[in-house]
Amino acid sequence: ETGVTQTPRHLVMGMTNKKSLKCEQHLGHNAMYWYKQSAKKPLELMFVYSLEERVENNSVPSRFSPECPNSSHLFLHLHTLQPEDSALYLCASSQQRQGNGNTIYFGEGSWLTVV
Amino acid sequence: DQQVKQNSPSLSVQEGRISILNCDYTNSMFDYFLWYKKYPAEGPTFLISISSIKDKNEDGRFTVFLNKSAKHLSLHIVPSQPGDSAVYFCAASEGDNDMRFGAGTRLTVKP
Repeated sequence: ETGVTQTPRHLVMGMTNKKSLKCEQHLGHNAMYWYKQSAKKPLELMFVYSLEERVENNSVPSRFSPECPNSSHLFLHLHTLQPEDSALYLCASSQQRQGNGNTIYFGEGSWLTVV
Repeated sequence: DQQVKQNSPSLSVQEGRISILNCDYTNSMFDYFLWYKKYPAEGPTFLISISSIKDKNEDGRFTVFLNKSAKHLSLHIVPSQPGDSAVYFCAASEGDNDMRFGAGTRLTVKP
């Protein structure tokens, strides 16, 4: 139990579907993240929310749309994805403290398969 | 632009021996370094970290060494156990900026 919960753990969707990934953190952190992990690649940062404001986009395609309604919840809305978007999507949170390194804590991930 | 590199995709070690996982980085401004461990079908789990003001941090069987002049980080696990078999990710950040991850090294500890 890491304190970061993701649902669903597995998702299969067609290219025309709309689905959402959900993340909830119980650690009282002030920042939340979406990462993508593809096979044999480094973790790719997709979105960062600090104090509920998006601070980085990293040129992610618009078919991925994040939403952060409060500091404990984070969503990733998915629409018209491509098969190459199939990957493990990881939510994470951290307590950002100015000037200090912060440790990121990950959820267990949502395995997405686009067919 | 991969700022954090783990050049060994895999490592196999005998149980009881030392495992040494290596990581190189290019950004001299990184000041915080971490190691994460990942089992299949699970998210990465934080293992150990080190600040750039130190050159060694130890936690039980795990020790992280930092060589700033060489921009090199290593994780030592001793003694290695079969349960340590996992993928290990090295990560680095500068202040509150994005954390950069390596591609991971798969460690197999053989009984």
